Amino acid sequence: AQSVTQPDIHITVSEGASLELRCNYSYGATPYLFWYVQSPGQGLQLLLKYFSGDTLVQGIKGFEAEFKRSQSSFNLRKPSVHWSDAAEYFCAVLTGTASKLTFGTGTRLQVTL
Amino acid sequence: DTAVSQTPKYLVTQMGNDKSIKCEQNLGHDTMYWYKQDSKKFLKIMFSYNNKELIINETVPNRFSPKSPDKAHLNLHINSLELGDSAVYFCASSLFGSRGGDRKTQYFGPGTRLLVL
Repeated sequence: AQSVTQPDIHITVSEGASLELRCNYSYGATPYLFWYVQSPGQGLQLLLKYFSGDTLVQGIKGFEAEFKRSQSSFNLRKPSVHWSDAAEYFCAVLTGTASKLTFGTGTRLQVTL
Repeated sequence: DTAVSQTPKYLVTQMGNDKSIKCEQNLGHDTMYWYKQDSKKFLKIMFSYNNKELIINETVPNRFSPKSPDKAHLNLHINSLELGDSAVYFCASSLFGSRGGDRKTQYFGPGTRLLVL
């Protein structure tokens, strides 16, 4: 069965520092992978997605993610974090013809000034 | 020009009541979903409809009944509400089919925060 693991429950970084959020997936076929962000009290906003092709994908708000098939990973990165990036980040894999999204447990990002 | 909208945004009710949450999308999508986010922020799919036909029905109590009057609307009715139903319920939409991953990207509504007292 498909699954997504986000090993870091909570990460704190200083504003201006770089960020990497880890995501590992388990899925037999070629995965469709996503990162969503949820600001406090808000809905889920799509940051970026990977389907095929170039393994480095660019998203909104200066985020990027790299797909590594050999490591079953899809880590999210940002070179310089802003205080407004503080939020919950979810990695997800899309499976099946019926397009079911399986989410990781999320990583809460705290940004210190 | 909201893409996926949900009403109400907040819902506070007593145990045993029946309530409905409505979802509408104006993205021209043909598939809609309900997800539940529990108190630990874990997100899990509940239902999915494609062109008014139920295509995903996870293990959910039968007190939960989705209804899709047309492909732009998906409502969730909950009977006999229990304390454990307190959660955030998200609606999402996408296109259906096996071609093109981009078609399957799901866009989410703002969520409905349900509190059962």
